[in-house]
Amino acid sequence: KAGVTQTPRYLIKTRGQQVTLSCSPISGHRSVSWYQQTPGQGLQFLFEYFSETQRNKGNFPGRFSGRQFSNSRSEMNVSTLELGDSALYLCASSLVLGGRALNEQFFGPGTRLTVL
Amino acid sequence: AQKVTQAQTEISVVEKEDVTLDCVYETRDTTYYLFWYKQPPSGELVFLIRRNSFDEQNEISGRYSWNFQKSTSSFNFTITASQVVDSAVYFCALRVNTGNQFYFGTGTSLTVIP
Repeated sequence: KAGVTQTPRYLIKTRGQQVTLSCSPISGHRSVSWYQQTPGQGLQFLFEYFSETQRNKGNFPGRFSGRQFSNSRSEMNVSTLELGDSALYLCASSLVLGGRALNEQFFGPGTRLTVL
Repeated sequence: AQKVTQAQTEISVVEKEDVTLDCVYETRDTTYYLFWYKQPPSGELVFLIRRNSFDEQNEISGRYSWNFQKSTSSFNFTITASQVVDSAVYFCALRVNTGNQFYFGTGTSLTVIP
């Protein structure tokens, strides 16, 4: 079974631009979560999507948004990029039964975003 | 509120030594799940183990073992006879039953010196 895939793996953008990152979950996994990882803040939860709906949201500004498609693939968008948005963005998928995500999350390799 | 603390930021050991990574968690939920993940230099988090709050049995998997103690809110991870390939950042995480959000500790960077 293929793992979680994320594209692109690396991105370089300049301040003020916007960026869209993509995540394809493991087949059959309907919950997708996004995390930002930085050396200073560690792993921080951005949001979780299930059945094309955002279920949980972390403490990030509105410049960070996401969506999920009917095939469970997810995208996250960051608008008006700031230097502090440079980070590794990780996507994780979970199996869901009865509307509740079970057990562990499986992570993709991440997208490393550099904002200049 | 949920919180995970990994007080050890960096640990270095010589190959074949045993090493224990500490994890302390905070939650008021009675049902919760604890996890350990490994993040090698490639960046991808690799799932190692899950424990639910009703199962305090310790677990051993090869050179890895986990000690879950609710009385001290700890879920420690021991690597026996460490190897260079164990060098990575290890994260402890908590999920409560009321949501799917994972709360991660800040990670412990383990370096195994040959």
